[in-house]
Amino acid sequence: GNSVTQMEGPVTLSEEAFLTINCTYTATGYPSLFWYVQYPGEGLQLLLKATKADDKGSNKGFEATYRKETTSFHLEKGSVQVSDSAVYFCALATTGTASKLTFGTGTRLQVTL
Amino acid sequence: DGGITQSPKYLFRKEGQNVTLSCEQNLNHDAMYWYRQDPGQGLRLIYYSQIVNDFQKGDIAEGYSVSREKKESFPLTVTSAQKNPTAFYLCASSIDQAGQNQPQHFGDGTRLSIL
Repeated sequence: GNSVTQMEGPVTLSEEAFLTINCTYTATGYPSLFWYVQYPGEGLQLLLKATKADDKGSNKGFEATYRKETTSFHLEKGSVQVSDSAVYFCALATTGTASKLTFGTGTRLQVTL
Repeated sequence: DGGITQSPKYLFRKEGQNVTLSCEQNLNHDAMYWYRQDPGQGLRLIYYSQIVNDFQKGDIAEGYSVSREKKESFPLTVTSAQKNPTAFYLCASSIDQAGQNQPQHFGDGTRLSIL
């Protein structure tokens, strides 16, 4: 079956530090990959996505590249801000008639001044 | 603005009681989903629906029921058979396009607690 593995949190960084959150996956076929962000007390918001190998998704300074050879979709940001503090979820969906998502367990990011 | 509205934001259930969580969307999306989120865990799929009057069980459907009488609405009932209902419940919707994995849009969630 499908599965997503994310690095354990929390990740604590100082403002302007470089961020990497690792995500690897197991899936049949050719999945689409997503990063979602959840701020306290809220639902999830789509951060970025990639639908095929070597695609790079980007949004708000965050980037992730779909690496088929390593089955990875690591999230990166060059300079984090306090406002980036949230929980980040990696997810995949395999091609079908319903975009059913399989989520990782989430990684909490805490950015301090 | 288009979006997904979940209500109430907080809900309390007594032992042996059924409760219903509301989810409404005005995005004209065909597919809707219910997830359960527990502390330190990812989201787990309870039920999903691709079209009106049809829905499918997800990974943890036991103790839950849904209906899809209108495209805009996908209420979730947590029944007394669900022995551990305390969790954060998230509703989502997406365009249902065969062969395409469309991103899901989420509501702000309902936090259910047992009295």
